[in-house]
Amino acid sequence: DGGITQSPKYLFRKEGQNVTLSCEQNLNHDAMYWYRQDPGQGLRLIYYSQIVNDFQKGDIAEGYSVSREKKESFPLTVTSAQKNPTAFYLCASSNGQGIKNIQYFGAGTRLSVL
Amino acid sequence: GESVGLHLPTLSVQEGDNSIINCAYSNSASDYFIWYKQESGKGPQFIIDIRSNMDKRQGQRVTVLLNKTVKHLSLQIAATQPGDSAVYFCAENISGGYQKVTFGTGTKLQVIP
Repeated sequence: DGGITQSPKYLFRKEGQNVTLSCEQNLNHDAMYWYRQDPGQGLRLIYYSQIVNDFQKGDIAEGYSVSREKKESFPLTVTSAQKNPTAFYLCASSNGQGIKNIQYFGAGTRLSVL
Repeated sequence: GESVGLHLPTLSVQEGDNSIINCAYSNSASDYFIWYKQESGKGPQFIIDIRSNMDKRQGQRVTVLLNKTVKHLSLQIAATQPGDSAVYFCAENISGGYQKVTFGTGTKLQVIP
């Protein structure tokens, strides 16, 4: 899984609870991303960050929040406003320079609702 | 709303045969394409990429073909092995500014020993 570490591998959320998924990279990449993967569907972009202290909403940002205080770290919080949080969450990073944008992924966090 | 009961298209291939996985991309402005392999319960891994100024690119046991006229991409795997069993999906990228990547839904490759 390259130099990207996601934790925990499995996470359970109770009703009304916020949970935070961790993503750390040691690839010295500027850009980081969070995706949601549901069965039979492609990856959907939740949030992305091109540089420290800056992040942008992706296609399905509602019910999620992020921070980018350090280059290495891009945690994702699934808030109680996200009514259907059960999914496989993937974090990625990329150098993002020039024409090539190869994204390197972590091993994922599987979130389930209790 | 959420699509329930969607199943990935599945390609079943005998071990040792060649596999061809197809992908139709959506944006004619896309100029860079990547194939990823995702094994069960893991994150996607980069396999091979191709720029829009090329029609073909070869790697180790894999070849990617690009047909810009019909916006079609294919991944050919030679001498398919059990370890090739995974979901494969393509990604398209438009360079310049924020490089948004759009991922396809994927094809499940099942290798029959």
